[in-house]
Amino acid sequence: AQKITQTQPGMFVQEKEAVTLDCTYDTSDPSYGLFWYKQPSSGEMIFLIYQGSYDQQNATEGRYSLNFQKARKSANLVISASQLGDSAMYFCAMREGHGGFKTIFGAGTRLFVKA
Amino acid sequence: EAGVAQSPRYKIIEKRQSVAFWCNPISGHATLYWYQQILGQGPKLLIQFQNNGVVDDSQLPKDRFSAERLKGVDSTLKIQPAKLEDSAVYLCASSIYLAVYQETQYFGPGTRLLVL
Repeated sequence: AQKITQTQPGMFVQEKEAVTLDCTYDTSDPSYGLFWYKQPSSGEMIFLIYQGSYDQQNATEGRYSLNFQKARKSANLVISASQLGDSAMYFCAMREGHGGFKTIFGAGTRLFVKA
Repeated sequence: EAGVAQSPRYKIIEKRQSVAFWCNPISGHATLYWYQQILGQGPKLLIQFQNNGVVDDSQLPKDRFSAERLKGVDSTLKIQPAKLEDSAVYLCASSIYLAVYQETQYFGPGTRLLVL
């Protein structure tokens, strides 16, 4: 079964607009961490934002925020005021205790920012 | 602060040949990971080291892949013999412990391997 599901293979957004990238996850562990990474065409994975399962507030880091809905098991990434440099692959990931604290990645969403 | 270093950046080999990748993690990071990322997919963990001990190698194809981390710093990943399906990007990451679920990984630029 898919642990991390990213249903949008590709997304387009106009420069300066906001965009939401979807991520749903599956775990029976009450304690877990959720991450978003950006992978530009250069290939390096860049850490963007972290949300803990017990965190009361949604995480924010600059233009990035994580819309965490625990009951729905969703952890969507919101990018505000999109920039051309935001064009990249975005991966949602989860770290859980079941199976030994592995970090599992989704298949990714490719974001295209239009000028 | 220097990031995670990997070499080579690109490698083209023929099937049944051997290849080795090198990784130097961020200074002070005790945990080191090797991932395989096939085109169009997310990274898949191959092996995780804590200092120079193996924590998880459950997804490492041990008949052809091997990895070591001597002295708890640099690491090498070897494939011998390579198959066509090994064509992928091999990513190295390192992390420092913050909290058990908050172990943010920092990735290197990856090695793109093409097996012909």
